[in-house]
Amino acid sequence: DQQVKQNSPSLSVQEGRISILNCDYTNSMFDYFLWYKKYPAEGPTFLISISSIKDKNEDGRFTVFLNKSAKHLSLHIVPSQPGDSAVYFCAASGGGDMRFGAGTRLTVKP
Amino acid sequence: DTAVSQTPKYLVTQMGNDKSIKCEQNLGHDTMYWYKQDSKKFLKIMFSYNNKELIINETVPNRFSPKSPDKAHLNLHINSLELGDSAVYFCASSQSYQDNYGYTFGSGTRLTVV
Repeated sequence: DQQVKQNSPSLSVQEGRISILNCDYTNSMFDYFLWYKKYPAEGPTFLISISSIKDKNEDGRFTVFLNKSAKHLSLHIVPSQPGDSAVYFCAASGGGDMRFGAGTRLTVKP
Repeated sequence: DTAVSQTPKYLVTQMGNDKSIKCEQNLGHDTMYWYKQDSKKFLKIMFSYNNKELIINETVPNRFSPKSPDKAHLNLHINSLELGDSAVYFCASSQSYQDNYGYTFGSGTRLTVV
């Protein structure tokens, strides 16, 4: 059973605009959430995280929002740059468990 | 009917021991991976196999040896365990090596070396 879902396999945005990547989870035990970025032929790299005691965490152009009641988190990238083109994985951890979504491929067009 | 299953989920062992972590996928994927998540939450690729053939072998100590008896299994054997090997190890699979999405990860094996 998929406890972490990224329902959009791909997303395409124009350079300079906002990219919004979404992630849903089902397990209420998850209390820490992470986003990873992955370039082709490389392993995923940690991007940003958020604890369940917060609803927003910002790091430069990247902001993660957490809606615990909806069991939903999103990653906002503003402004989007061509170098942001990659696959983004959402992950959720808690209760000694960590689960990953299947990823969303973001393409930022110049 | 877990898609990617790793065993054991937790492993506590003493320095110097040899241990194995097993991974199996029932998705019919061609490619399997081992990742190590360090204390800073970074996921680092260790090995990748495509149809039982090694295609990625990052700079890891040769104490780590992957074994793929068939494309549904990728096991990780670690000799002479050291304290620094303590981490969470994730197995993953994908349809093919060219897939940049559609990864399915196992739930991880937390290795603690004491």
